[in-house]
Amino acid sequence: SAVISQKPSRDICQRGTSLTIQCQVDSQVTMMFWYRQQPGQSLTLIATANQGSEATYESGFVIDKFPISRPNLTFSTLTVSNMSPEDSSIYLCSVEDPFFSYNEQFFGPGTRLTVL
Amino acid sequence: DAKTTQPPSMDCAEGRAANLPCNHSTISGNEYVYWYRQIHSQGPQYIIHGLKNNETNEMASLIITEDRKSSTLILPHATLRDTAVYYCIVTPGGSYIPTFGRGTSLIVHP
Repeated sequence: SAVISQKPSRDICQRGTSLTIQCQVDSQVTMMFWYRQQPGQSLTLIATANQGSEATYESGFVIDKFPISRPNLTFSTLTVSNMSPEDSSIYLCSVEDPFFSYNEQFFGPGTRLTVL
Repeated sequence: DAKTTQPPSMDCAEGRAANLPCNHSTISGNEYVYWYRQIHSQGPQYIIHGLKNNETNEMASLIITEDRKSSTLILPHATLRDTAVYYCIVTPGGSYIPTFGRGTSLIVHP
């Protein structure tokens, strides 16, 4: 299985600032995803990070608020822009690659963000 | 993706089998049943998946009814470390993105 790390593991930020979260995988993977998990809620997909092209966003999420980069097959970043307290959540990256197995997703440990 | 229904919470005594049900009455013929779990403050972890046959791995067993409208995840000898939220997801094979519902919060007690 893929080993996924995220940085930072947690952060406390001020309203109006931006935070960039990094996701690193120990091997090349085809697909990378970003999820948000608000307090007490389930996971919601933000976007699919596409290598070499713009990310594909889900309904309710826009590039200006959550810009995503994926410069290669092992790394991606998610930026939470112009933050407000409503952005306080756990942000998770996940990967999927048929090389490993049949469509299981592997998740990183998450980044716990608190916006004051 | 087909909709799934899970009880919001369950509890189980340590050492006993934990049987977590999932209803997916609108499942299509090409949709698989996947189970993930999320231990507190961690990312979700894949457990098992199946199409129509029962499956077993080192973590759990998955029992799918003959009509495929429901399934049960079985943890044969639950431990305290199995306390987590368990998600049942139904989705087609191939390239897919799981949609997570509310899941079942399983508490294993001594």
